[in-house]
Amino acid sequence: KNQVEQSPQSLIILEGKNCTLQCNYTVSPFSNLRWYKQDTGRGPVSLTIMTFSENTKSNGRYTATLDADTKQSSLHITASQLSDSASYICVVSGDTGTASKLTFGTGTRLQVTL
Amino acid sequence: DVKVTQSSRYLVKRTGEKVFLECVQDMDHENMFWYRQDPGLGLRLIYFSYDVKMKEKGDIPEGYSVSREKKERFSLILESASTNQTSMYLCASSYMGRYGYTFGSGTRLTVV
Repeated sequence: KNQVEQSPQSLIILEGKNCTLQCNYTVSPFSNLRWYKQDTGRGPVSLTIMTFSENTKSNGRYTATLDADTKQSSLHITASQLSDSASYICVVSGDTGTASKLTFGTGTRLQVTL
Repeated sequence: DVKVTQSSRYLVKRTGEKVFLECVQDMDHENMFWYRQDPGLGLRLIYFSYDVKMKEKGDIPEGYSVSREKKERFSLILESASTNQTSMYLCASSYMGRYGYTFGSGTRLTVV
């Protein structure tokens, strides 16, 4: 069964600190892995998308890594800001031809405090 | 800027009512999806459509139906709403293929 597991479930950090969120997956076949940021009560917004051949991708203060051999990904947030408080969802896409189906993690809830 | 628009941010409906959730995208995407999101469960696929008038069941289609009469619009229908359908509903769309999923802002449905 395809699964995506994220850790930790929740995290509280001080503003200005860095943090790393983890994602392990067992999805086959593999097409790409995405990280989304979801503010409370809003839809997810894409941060990064990585294919099999990419092992790192940055979007401002967000840097995602992918190790396709160990089926692990991480999202590193640098110099956190209060606006980074949100849920971060790891999503893995399998290649199913006509329409990709996504396997979602349950998210890491990040709270950045003063 | 690409957009997926869900018609309502919040809805409160009574048990047994027929409920329509509307989703419109302006990107000429072939694929459209309906998910529900519940705490601790993540997003779960209800239905998706890869073309006009085409639909496929997702992981949890029971109690739901969909309609796609035009490429830009994908509707989710709760034939007889029940309290266990209280949830956040998210619509998404993508081009044929694997990239560029865009989500709407979500509709928080409460069934009382």
